[in-house]
Amino acid sequence: QSVLTQPASVSGSPRQSITISCTGTSSDVGYFKLVSWFQHHPGKAPKLVIYEDIKRPSGISDRFSGSKSGNTASLTISGLQAEDEADYYCCSYAGANTFLFGGGTRLTVL
Amino acid sequence: EVQLVESGGGLVQPGRSLRLSCAASGFKFDDSAMHWVRQAPGKGLEWVSSISWNSFNTGYADSVKGRFTISRDNAQNLLFLHMNGLTTEDTALYFCVKDATAGLNWFDFWGLGTLVTVSS
Repeated sequence: QSVLTQPASVSGSPRQSITISCTGTSSDVGYFKLVSWFQHHPGKAPKLVIYEDIKRPSGISDRFSGSKSGNTASLTISGLQAEDEADYYCCSYAGANTFLFGGGTRLTVL
Repeated sequence: EVQLVESGGGLVQPGRSLRLSCAASGFKFDDSAMHWVRQAPGKGLEWVSSISWNSFNTGYADSVKGRFTISRDNAQNLLFLHMNGLTTEDTALYFCVKDATAGLNWFDFWGLGTLVTVSS
């Protein structure tokens, strides 16, 4: 079981947009429509922001959007705000009742 | 309001066992698959184990297979993780996580976690 590949860090200024990539394989990210993304502020419970590749849970700002092309999923946050500063993780179902997480991306709002 | 409250963590010596519990409320427990995810100090999230609503389907990370067992009690709204043969590599904050479906699909709500420290 390998870890999905995410950049270690990204940064952006307020009101800008950033995109975090999540690369897997044709057996996980590329095969199932089950990539989700989580926002994690240290000391708090991780929070779901995108599920089933592109869907947004109720209550999540439309500034958060998901996409996928082949074996790479992406999370885009537009109109960056200070409270978006957090760690972001992708996760994919990988078959046979298993899941994979990405290594996590630290978002810094400059 | 969905609530997941983990308990059972603590300091344990290498090679010993521990059982984590997760008390669920605010949703129909037997309509949801459940999961355990952990985060070692300074590291990222790592999926540990999953169980379907009826316990028929379970899954384990390679790092814990053969040592950890996931189970649930739908009558008591409880999720468990039985951990045997603990090593220092198992030191982590363990999160109880609810699936959005009865099967194993995606995680929609997390608890705050219980800390397990394996040390002599």
